[in-house]
Amino acid sequence: GAVVSQHPSWVICKSGTSVKIECRSLDFQATTMFWYRQFPKQSLMLMATSNEGSKATYEQGVEKDKFLINHASLTLSTLTVTSAHPEDSSFYICSGRSGRDGNIQYFGAGTRLSVL
Amino acid sequence: AQTVTQSQPEMSVQEAETVTLSCTYDTSESDYYLFWYKQPPSRQMILVIRQEAYKQQNATENRFSVNFQKAAKSFSLKISDSQLGDAAMYFCAYGSNYKLTFGKGTLLTVNP
Repeated sequence: GAVVSQHPSWVICKSGTSVKIECRSLDFQATTMFWYRQFPKQSLMLMATSNEGSKATYEQGVEKDKFLINHASLTLSTLTVTSAHPEDSSFYICSGRSGRDGNIQYFGAGTRLSVL
Repeated sequence: AQTVTQSQPEMSVQEAETVTLSCTYDTSESDYYLFWYKQPPSRQMILVIRQEAYKQQNATENRFSVNFQKAAKSFSLKISDSQLGDAAMYFCAYGSNYKLTFGKGTLLTVNP
């Protein structure tokens, strides 16, 4: 299957600072990338969908000014958590889908964010 | 909105035995996909199997097969000859318009 790289795998930051998470599709062009949030022992909740060169579409209840998503190329999407607070601590996972088999999403390994 | 229900929070199976994980979903759409993803302790989501709703034939991938009952909106996963490496959280997912909706997951334990 296709490979999605997510970096960093774990980040600790101070409250009030911003953190950027990168998601790269290594061997395919990701027409669309998705960002999920997963709380401990819970399911994945879709936060936003981004298409290359377009503004991201956020799910209901997700603050777009707090979670900034940029999808500047077909292989790179970034999620920036701005002015992070302890309640933003979570596991964030990205995925990408290609134009060839658009119904399959390939997932990154996730990023654990801890806000102190 | 679509919903996905996995009624078994936890399941266990003996190594080499067979186990079936349940999943039901609710939708008014006719064109959609269903998936089973596996999330081991590493937390990397891995696609196990996919089923197109328009196909009547059940999908099979080696030891993994599904029982897709469209009218009943049921999509169960059968794992044959269970291996220790199958131990993981299994998520059923509904796909439509390229978006996925996940169930809450079933934690599968494989006993040696």
